[in-house]
Parts: sequence; C-alpha cells; structure tokens
Amino acid sequence: GENVEQHPSTLSVQEGDSAVIKCTYSDSASNYFPWYKQELGKRPQLIIDIRSNVGEKKDQRIAVTLNKTAKHFSLHITETQPEDSAVYFCAASINGNQFYFGTGTSLTVIP
Amino acid sequence: GAVVSQHPSRVICKSGTSVKIECRSLDFQATTMFWYRQFPKKSLMLMATSNEGSKATYEQGVEKDKFLINHASLTLSTLTVTSAHPEDSSFYICSAGGRERGHEQYFGPGTRLTVT
Repeated sequence: GENVEQHPSTLSVQEGDSAVIKCTYSDSASNYFPWYKQELGKRPQLIIDIRSNVGEKKDQRIAVTLNKTAKHFSLHITETQPEDSAVYFCAASINGNQFYFGTGTSLTVIP
Repeated sequence: GAVVSQHPSRVICKSGTSVKIECRSLDFQATTMFWYRQFPKKSLMLMATSNEGSKATYEQGVEKDKFLINHASLTLSTLTVTSAHPEDSSFYICSAGGRERGHEQYFGPGTRLTVT
C-alpha cells in the first residue's frame, strides 16, 4: 500500500517567517494530495489540496507544490502568524478512494 | 465545507463490551466514509473505507470481525468495536466524501473511547 513520509516532525518559526513541510509518497498512482491542519482537540481541517495534473497551487499565504517524478509534495506557509500553530498532516490518495496520512508536523509560531 | 457529526464524543466502557460510534453527514450525500484511529500526538491511521450499500474495505492489520462497519445509507455509517479491550482505547475519527464533493473528505469531531 501507499507509504507517506513527512518531515520535519516539529517546526518552530518566528512570527512573519516562512514554514515549509515536506512529504514523500510511494505509490505513483496517487493523484490527490490534501493538507490538513489539526488544532489540539479538534478535527482535521482541509487547508489546501493539489491534484497530480498541477505542479503548484496557492491560496493567500499557503501554497503547495508537487513533483510527480520525485513523488514529493510540500506545504509552504508565508508570513506565519501565531494562529498558524497546529499540527499539519499531508495525505495521498488515489481518486479520493483511500487516504494515507503522513506522520504530522507540529508547527509552533513564536510571537 | 460540509458538516459531519460523530456520536458519542466520549465513551467509557468496560472490557468485553461493545461500543457503537455513529458518523453522519448532515448536508451532503456521503457515498464514501472513512474510519481512522488516532493515537495521542500521532497521525491518522486509516482503518477502513466504506461505500454506501457495500461491505467495507479494511486496511491490512485491522480485524474486520472486531471493528464492524456499516454504511447503510448515504448519511450514516457506524463503527462498532466488539468485545472491547483496553488496547482499543483510542481516538476514532470518521470522515465523509461524496461525488458532489470531488475527492475531498470532511472529518467528524472524533470519539474518545476509553476501555477500562
């Protein structure tokens, strides 16, 4: 089955700096890659996603890049704010049929 | 986004008993529902995928006789943990997806199961 690896496991940045989280996947058939933000005690929330026919997608301060050849994708958060502090999960899926998650990155934005 | 509810939010049961967790999509037809298990400060582990009206597809290592999943309607899926043991204590989260939602899935708030 699919194996998704995520790095780093923890990340601390100063407010205003950028944060980058990277994931790799193993199944070349995966074609949908969502990113979720999970605050303590809350459900994961989709923050951005990308499909395999696109190399990059941006939504305000958040962007995701995908390299199909290398089978890796990354989340970029610019101008970080304290409210960005949370655990972020990447996931890989084939047509939304099954989702395999990375191990999570605990992001702390220091005011 | 779509609204997915989960009930109960917390449950404590004695070892050997069974517990049923419900997952409902409130404002869309969930053709597919997923069940995950999440350990403290860990990732979400996919347990099974259920399509409405079909048998669930279980991930490797997940006992189908222990974790019974039913997806009888487009708005409801249930997970029953049978003969629960303390090692089954965990956070169980469902998510729902539908054809009208593309590939996206929407998560329920989760159920904290404690088996004593």
